[in-house]
Amino acid sequence: SAVISQKPSRDICQRGTSLTIQCQVDSQVTMMFWYRQQPGQSLTLIATANQGSEATYESGFVIDKFPISRPNLTFSTLTVSNMSPEDSSIYLCSVEGGESYTFGSGTRLTVV
Amino acid sequence: SQQGEEDPQALSIQEGENATMNCSYKTSINNLQWYRQNSGRGLVHLILIRSNEREKHSGRLRVTLDTSKKSSSLLITASRAADTASYFCATVSDYKLSFGAGTTVTVRA
Repeated sequence: SAVISQKPSRDICQRGTSLTIQCQVDSQVTMMFWYRQQPGQSLTLIATANQGSEATYESGFVIDKFPISRPNLTFSTLTVSNMSPEDSSIYLCSVEGGESYTFGSGTRLTVV
Repeated sequence: SQQGEEDPQALSIQEGENATMNCSYKTSINNLQWYRQNSGRGLVHLILIRSNEREKHSGRLRVTLDTSKKSSSLLITASRAADTASYFCATVSDYKLSFGAGTTVTVRA
C-alpha cells in the first residue's frame, strides 16, 4: 500500500492567519482525500482532490476557506484560511489503495 | 458525513480480556472496513468484510456483518496495552469513506 508523508505534524497558529498542510505520496494516485477530525469526534470528509481539476467539496466546506492544490499525481496541499479557534482540529489526507485506504499521520492544528 | 453509530463510545478493559464494539450504518454497502487510530494520529486499516461475508478473522481480530440489520461488530481477543486506541468502522460510497462515531478502547495493564 502507499506511504504518505504529511507535514506539519502539528502547529499552533494565530487567529486570522492561514496554514498549508502538505501530503506527499510515494506512488501515483488518482484521488486524494482531505478529512477534518474535530476534538473527540469522528472524521468528516472535506474534499476530494483530483489532479488537473478543481477539488470537489462536501457540504459545509467551501473553497475560499479550504483551498486545495493538486499539482501532480503524488502531491496535494490543503490550506486552512483565516483561521479561528473553531478550526482547531486534526487534518488528515488519505488515498485509496485497492479496497482499503491509507492515511497520512495527521496535522494537529491549534488556533489561539 | 458520518455513516452511523458505534457503541460503546468508550471501553476500558484489563489486559488479556476481549473487547467488543459495534457499528451500525445507514446505506447499502459493498464492504465495511475497520480502522484504528492511536492518540489522534493517522488511521490504520485493520480489516475489510464484504457484503456477502458474515464473519472474517485476522489474527486476534474477528469481525461480523449483518446486512439485514445494517450492523457490524469488531472483537479483539486477548487484548494488549498496545491495543489502546480509537476504533472506527467505515463504509464506502463513490470512493469516499464515511466513518462511524468511533469507540475508544483503553487496555489496562
